[in-house]
Amino acid sequence: EIVLTQSPDFQSVTPKEKVTITCRASQSVGSNLHWYQQKPDQSPKLLIKYASQSFSGVPSRFSGSGSGTDFALTINSLEAEDAATYYCHQSSSLPLTFGGGTKVEIK
Amino acid sequence: QVQLQESGPGLVKPSETLSLTCTVSGGSVSSYYWSWIRQPPGKGLEWIGYIYNTGTTNYNPSLKSRVTISLDTSKNQFSLKLSSVTAADTAVYYCARVGGSSTTGFDYWGQGTLVTVSS
Repeated sequence: EIVLTQSPDFQSVTPKEKVTITCRASQSVGSNLHWYQQKPDQSPKLLIKYASQSFSGVPSRFSGSGSGTDFALTINSLEAEDAATYYCHQSSSLPLTFGGGTKVEIK
Repeated sequence: QVQLQESGPGLVKPSETLSLTCTVSGGSVSSYYWSWIRQPPGKGLEWIGYIYNTGTTNYNPSLKSRVTISLDTSKNQFSLKLSSVTAADTAVYYCARVGGSSTTGFDYWGQGTLVTVSS
């Protein structure tokens, strides 16, 4: 099973700041790494697929990078509505797995 | 716009079988992979398994002995059965679509349904 380790676990950020969340895989997943945003009491929403491809309708301030074992989700110019928990997910091999999540709080 | 809606009992007794159904609208279950994912209260996401339109299934080994996912194309639904449940199975259960190929992320999700295991 591929383990995904996200860091940090929690981040408190002021609006308009830049946020970077990292996800490290225990073995190479190629580009089969996806990012989700989950707001309280909501289902997760796909932000980035295949490491760097933005999903339809996602604001351009969200971007993804990386390949192999090291990945990053960047939020440029954070907005208040971006307060959420962010998860990475690998689809390279079964079982499909998720990172533990990074909670982003707005100061 | 594809929409998914979970339905089923919100309370299940220990040792019994949890049964949930996901109804898909705006798209056909005869295409794509369809998945179940769960999230214990205050915790992270766990993939349970998925089914393809051929009926092919894949399950998380941690749950494989207790899980069955099935497809009903006539009703445009897919279902989850989890047997011999314990309190550890208490979670919000989501159904989701795997967009495109089997390696694509989950592009559409249901709103989730909380299932509590308790006597």
